[in-house]
Amino acid sequence: KQEVTQIPAALSVPEGENLVLNCSFTDSAIYNLQWFRQDPGKGLTSLLLIQSSQREQTSGRLNASLDKSSGRSTLYIAASQPGDSATYLCAVRPGRDDKIIFGKGTRLHILP
Amino acid sequence: GAGVSQSPSNKVTEKGKDVELRCDPISGHTALYWYRQRLGQGLEFLIYFQGNSAPDKSGLPSDRFSAERTGESVSTLTIQRTQQEDSAVYLCASSLAGSLLETQYFGPGTRLLVL
Repeated sequence: KQEVTQIPAALSVPEGENLVLNCSFTDSAIYNLQWFRQDPGKGLTSLLLIQSSQREQTSGRLNASLDKSSGRSTLYIAASQPGDSATYLCAVRPGRDDKIIFGKGTRLHILP
Repeated sequence: GAGVSQSPSNKVTEKGKDVELRCDPISGHTALYWYRQRLGQGLEFLIYFQGNSAPDKSGLPSDRFSAERTGESVSTLTIQRTQQEDSAVYLCASSLAGSLLETQYFGPGTRLLVL
């Protein structure tokens, strides 16, 4: 059974710092992995989607990497800003026809 | 519309009552998903609609839960005889064609509290 774990559960860092959020999954055979941002009252926003054949995706200050063999993904945020404060969710689709499985998220607080 | 909308934004109900949650997907999106997020827990997939295909109901937690979708538009999630453990944020998402390569766009959610 696929399980997705995110560490840390919460993180506070000063503005301007670079930071890394971690996601691990128990079964390395995945179809794709997606990172979301969750803001209160605004639902989820998709940030990056990585196919199983890819090793990373980049969008602006965000970079997500995928290492299937070790069951890990990281979300790198460069030059953090207070507006980056949110909960970041990692989600895995185990197989083509499988439902998405989410981690519990990392609550990020960027200190001004 | 600009994005996925859901109503109501908040719902408080008494145990045993039925509730109906509504989702309006992005116009033109053929795929629609319902998820649930209980306090302190991750997102749980509930049900998936894709065009006119039979919905994937594999995530529905019990027969008290049901969902309908009219064509490729509005969907309603109904919870009958609500229980306190049904308290959660219910999120709806849509995507253009249901491809697994696509990004899902989420609505703001309905926060359900069962007393």
